[in-house]
Amino acid sequence: DAKTTQPPSMDCAEGRAANLPCNHSTISGNEYVYWYRQIHSQGPQYIIHGLKNNETNEMASLIITEDRKSSTLILPHATLRDTAVYYCIVRVSNTGNQFYFGTGTSLTVIP
Amino acid sequence: EPEVTQTPSHQVTQMGQEVILRCVPISNHLYFYWYRQILGQKVEFLVSFYNNEISEKSEIFDDQFSVERPDGSNFTLKIRSTKLEDSAMYFCASSGLRMNSSPLHFGNGTRLTVT
Repeated sequence: DAKTTQPPSMDCAEGRAANLPCNHSTISGNEYVYWYRQIHSQGPQYIIHGLKNNETNEMASLIITEDRKSSTLILPHATLRDTAVYYCIVRVSNTGNQFYFGTGTSLTVIP
Repeated sequence: EPEVTQTPSHQVTQMGQEVILRCVPISNHLYFYWYRQILGQKVEFLVSFYNNEISEKSEIFDDQFSVERPDGSNFTLKIRSTKLEDSAMYFCASSGLRMNSSPLHFGNGTRLTVT
Protein backbone atom coordinates (compact mmCIF):
# COMPACT_ATOMS: atom_id res chain seq x y z
CA ASP A 1 0.00 0.00 0.00
CA ALA A 2 0.92 3.67 -0.34
CA LYS A 3 3.80 4.73 1.87
CA THR A 4 2.94 8.41 1.63
CA THR A 5 0.60 10.81 3.40
CA GLN A 6 -0.86 13.85 1.68
CA PRO A 7 -3.56 16.35 2.63
CA PRO A 8 -6.80 15.45 0.85
CA SER A 9 -7.38 18.88 -0.64
CA MET A 10 -5.84 22.33 -1.08
CA ASP A 11 -6.72 25.60 -2.74
CA CYS A 12 -4.35 28.01 -4.42
CA ALA A 13 -4.92 31.41 -6.00
CA GLU A 14 -4.16 31.65 -9.69
CA GLY A 15 -0.67 33.04 -10.30
CA ARG A 16 0.57 32.13 -6.85
CA ALA A 17 2.88 29.27 -5.96
CA ALA A 18 1.19 26.01 -5.02
CA ASN A 19 3.11 24.06 -2.38
CA LEU A 20 1.95 20.47 -2.02
CA PRO A 21 3.38 18.56 0.94
CA CYS A 22 3.98 14.85 1.26
CA ASN A 23 5.18 12.74 4.18
CA HIS A 24 7.10 9.54 3.49
CA SER A 25 8.69 8.81 6.85
CA THR A 26 9.43 5.14 6.10
CA ILE A 27 11.27 5.77 2.85
CA SER A 28 14.37 3.66 2.27
CA GLY A 29 17.71 4.93 1.05
CA ASN A 30 17.31 3.83 -2.54
CA GLU A 31 13.66 4.73 -3.03
CA TYR A 32 12.76 7.61 -5.28
CA VAL A 33 9.92 10.05 -4.68
CA TYR A 34 7.71 10.60 -7.71
CA TRP A 35 4.99 13.13 -8.32
CA TYR A 36 2.14 12.65 -10.76
CA ARG A 37 -1.09 14.43 -11.38
CA GLN A 38 -4.40 13.35 -12.83
CA ILE A 39 -6.69 15.82 -14.51
CA HIS A 40 -10.25 14.58 -14.53
CA SER A 41 -10.21 10.98 -15.80
CA GLN A 42 -7.12 11.32 -17.95
CA GLY A 43 -4.08 9.14 -17.47
CA PRO A 44 -1.71 10.09 -14.65
CA GLN A 45 0.81 12.62 -15.88
CA TYR A 46 4.40 12.44 -14.72
CA ILE A 47 5.66 15.67 -13.16
CA ILE A 48 9.01 15.12 -11.48
CA HIS A 49 10.98 12.71 -9.32
CA GLY A 50 14.00 12.76 -7.06
CA LEU A 51 16.13 10.75 -4.68
CA LYS A 52 17.68 13.21 -2.25
CA ASN A 53 18.61 16.36 -4.10
CA ASN A 54 16.13 19.06 -4.97
CA GLU A 55 14.98 18.87 -8.56
CA THR A 56 13.49 21.36 -11.00
CA ASN A 57 12.04 21.00 -14.45
CA GLU A 58 9.77 23.02 -16.69
CA MET A 59 6.69 21.96 -14.75
CA ALA A 60 7.66 22.10 -11.11
CA SER A 61 10.26 21.96 -8.37
CA LEU A 62 10.69 19.16 -5.87
CA ILE A 63 12.14 19.91 -2.46
CA ILE A 64 13.17 16.86 -0.42
CA THR A 65 14.12 17.30 3.22
CA GLU A 66 17.58 16.28 4.30
CA ASP A 67 16.25 13.27 6.24
CA ARG A 68 14.12 12.38 3.18
CA LYS A 69 11.05 11.88 5.33
CA SER A 70 9.04 14.49 3.51
CA SER A 71 8.95 16.47 0.31
CA THR A 72 7.14 19.40 -1.26
CA LEU A 73 6.06 19.83 -4.84
CA ILE A 74 6.07 23.45 -5.91
CA LEU A 75 4.14 24.76 -8.89
CA PRO A 76 5.66 28.25 -9.13
CA HIS A 77 2.79 30.06 -10.84
CA ALA A 78 -0.39 28.02 -10.64
CA THR A 79 -2.89 28.31 -13.48
CA LEU A 80 -6.46 27.08 -13.71
CA ARG A 81 -5.19 24.16 -15.79
CA ASP A 82 -3.19 22.96 -12.80
CA THR A 83 -6.41 21.99 -11.04
CA ALA A 84 -5.97 18.23 -10.61
CA VAL A 85 -5.32 15.44 -8.13
CA TYR A 86 -1.61 15.31 -7.27
CA TYR A 87 -0.04 12.05 -6.20
CA CYS A 88 3.17 11.64 -4.26
CA ILE A 89 4.51 8.11 -4.76
CA VAL A 90 7.44 6.25 -3.28
CA ARG A 91 8.59 3.42 -5.46
CA VAL A 92 8.54 0.46 -3.10
CA SER A 93 10.80 -2.19 -4.54
CA ASN A 94 13.85 -2.38 -6.69
CA THR A 95 11.92 -4.34 -9.24
CA GLY A 96 10.13 -1.11 -9.96
CA ASN A 97 6.75 -2.75 -10.14
CA GLN A 98 5.25 -1.60 -6.88
CA PHE A 99 4.13 1.83 -7.96
CA TYR A 100 1.19 2.52 -5.70
CA PHE A 101 -1.14 5.46 -6.00
CA GLY A 102 -2.74 6.76 -2.84
CA THR A 103 -5.67 9.15 -2.70
CA GLY A 104 -3.51 12.20 -3.45
CA THR A 105 -4.21 15.89 -2.92
CA SER A 106 -7.01 17.50 -4.87
CA LEU A 107 -5.65 20.93 -5.81
CA THR A 108 -8.11 23.59 -6.86
CA VAL A 109 -6.68 26.73 -8.44
CA ILE A 110 -9.02 29.64 -7.82
CA PRO A 111 -9.29 32.57 -10.24
CA GLU B 1 7.24 14.18 -27.26
CA PRO B 2 6.66 10.41 -27.50
CA GLU B 3 3.58 9.13 -25.76
CA VAL B 4 1.72 5.96 -24.84
CA THR B 5 -1.38 5.47 -26.96
CA GLN B 6 -4.36 3.32 -26.09
CA THR B 7 -7.25 2.07 -28.16
CA PRO B 8 -10.17 2.14 -28.08
CA SER B 9 -10.88 5.13 -25.89
CA HIS B 10 -14.21 3.60 -24.89
CA GLN B 11 -15.32 -0.01 -25.05
CA VAL B 12 -18.78 -1.25 -24.22
CA THR B 13 -19.30 -4.97 -23.82
CA GLN B 14 -21.80 -7.40 -22.41
CA MET B 15 -21.11 -9.41 -19.31
CA GLY B 16 -19.35 -12.67 -20.14
CA GLN B 17 -17.77 -11.38 -23.33
CA GLU B 18 -14.05 -11.21 -23.95
CA VAL B 19 -12.38 -7.85 -24.48
CA ILE B 20 -8.92 -6.89 -25.60
CA LEU B 21 -7.52 -3.51 -24.70
CA ARG B 22 -4.62 -2.31 -26.78
CA CYS B 23 -1.65 -0.14 -26.03
CA VAL B 24 1.34 1.11 -27.95
CA PRO B 25 4.07 1.94 -25.44
CA ILE B 26 6.85 4.43 -26.04
CA SER B 27 9.13 2.83 -28.58
CA ASN B 28 12.40 2.42 -26.65
CA HIS B 29 10.78 1.44 -23.37
CA LEU B 30 11.22 -2.03 -21.96
CA TYR B 31 8.80 -2.23 -19.03
CA PHE B 32 5.07 -2.27 -19.53
CA TYR B 33 2.22 -1.98 -17.08
CA TRP B 34 -1.53 -2.05 -16.76
CA TYR B 35 -3.42 -0.15 -14.10
CA ARG B 36 -7.11 0.37 -13.61
CA GLN B 37 -9.26 2.98 -11.91
CA ILE B 38 -12.83 2.27 -10.93
CA LEU B 39 -14.90 5.45 -10.99
CA GLY B 40 -14.18 7.56 -7.93
CA GLN B 41 -11.50 5.22 -6.61
CA LYS B 42 -7.70 4.97 -6.59
CA VAL B 43 -5.51 4.04 -9.51
CA GLU B 44 -4.70 0.36 -8.89
CA PHE B 45 -1.75 -1.67 -10.15
CA LEU B 46 -2.67 -4.78 -12.16
CA VAL B 47 0.44 -6.19 -13.79
CA SER B 48 3.93 -5.43 -15.02
CA PHE B 49 5.66 -7.06 -17.96
CA TYR B 50 9.30 -7.26 -18.93
CA ASN B 51 11.28 -9.40 -21.33
CA ASN B 52 8.13 -11.08 -22.62
CA GLU B 53 6.88 -12.25 -19.28
CA ILE B 54 4.91 -11.02 -16.32
CA SER B 55 7.28 -9.71 -13.68
CA GLU B 56 4.68 -8.88 -11.07
CA LYS B 57 0.92 -8.92 -10.68
CA SER B 58 -1.58 -7.83 -8.09
CA GLU B 59 -4.35 -9.92 -6.55
CA ILE B 60 -6.79 -8.20 -8.91
CA PHE B 61 -5.03 -9.81 -11.87
CA ASP B 62 -6.66 -13.24 -11.65
CA ASP B 63 -7.06 -15.96 -14.26
CA GLN B 64 -9.58 -13.87 -16.17
CA PHE B 65 -6.81 -11.47 -17.15
CA SER B 66 -3.88 -11.99 -19.47
CA VAL B 67 -1.31 -9.77 -21.14
CA GLU B 68 0.61 -10.16 -24.31
CA ARG B 69 3.12 -8.35 -26.45
CA PRO B 70 2.23 -9.92 -29.79
CA ASP B 71 4.71 -7.91 -31.83
CA GLY B 72 7.36 -5.27 -31.31
CA SER B 73 4.96 -2.44 -30.68
CA ASN B 74 1.67 -3.51 -29.12
CA PHE B 75 0.92 -4.51 -25.55
CA THR B 76 -2.52 -5.93 -24.85
CA LEU B 77 -4.70 -6.71 -21.87
CA LYS B 78 -7.33 -9.40 -22.35
CA ILE B 79 -10.24 -9.99 -20.03
CA ARG B 80 -11.60 -13.41 -20.81
CA SER B 81 -15.12 -13.22 -19.45
CA THR B 82 -16.04 -9.74 -18.32
CA LYS B 83 -17.98 -9.04 -15.15
CA LEU B 84 -19.90 -5.92 -14.20
CA GLU B 85 -17.21 -5.05 -11.68
CA ASP B 86 -14.60 -4.91 -14.44
CA SER B 87 -16.10 -1.59 -15.53
CA ALA B 88 -13.30 0.92 -15.05
CA MET B 89 -10.69 3.06 -16.77
CA TYR B 90 -7.73 0.93 -17.80
CA PHE B 91 -4.39 2.67 -18.13
CA CYS B 92 -1.34 1.33 -19.89
CA ALA B 93 2.10 2.63 -18.94
CA SER B 94 5.67 2.07 -19.98
CA SER B 95 9.07 2.95 -18.59
CA GLY B 96 12.69 2.85 -19.65
CA LEU B 97 15.62 0.72 -18.69
CA ARG B 98 16.67 2.15 -15.33
CA MET B 99 13.76 0.69 -13.44
CA ASN B 100 13.94 2.36 -10.08
CA SER B 101 14.64 5.79 -11.48
CA SER B 102 12.69 5.77 -14.71
CA PRO B 103 9.23 7.29 -14.48
CA LEU B 104 6.19 5.51 -15.82
CA HIS B 105 4.47 7.24 -18.70
CA PHE B 106 0.76 6.61 -18.92
CA GLY B 107 -1.68 6.59 -21.77
CA ASN B 108 -5.04 8.32 -21.53
CA GLY B 109 -6.83 5.10 -20.89
CA THR B 110 -9.66 2.95 -22.19
CA ARG B 111 -13.00 3.31 -20.47
CA LEU B 112 -14.49 -0.17 -20.23
CA THR B 113 -18.21 -0.41 -19.60
CA VAL B 114 -19.64 -3.86 -18.93
CA THR B 115 -23.41 -4.10 -19.18
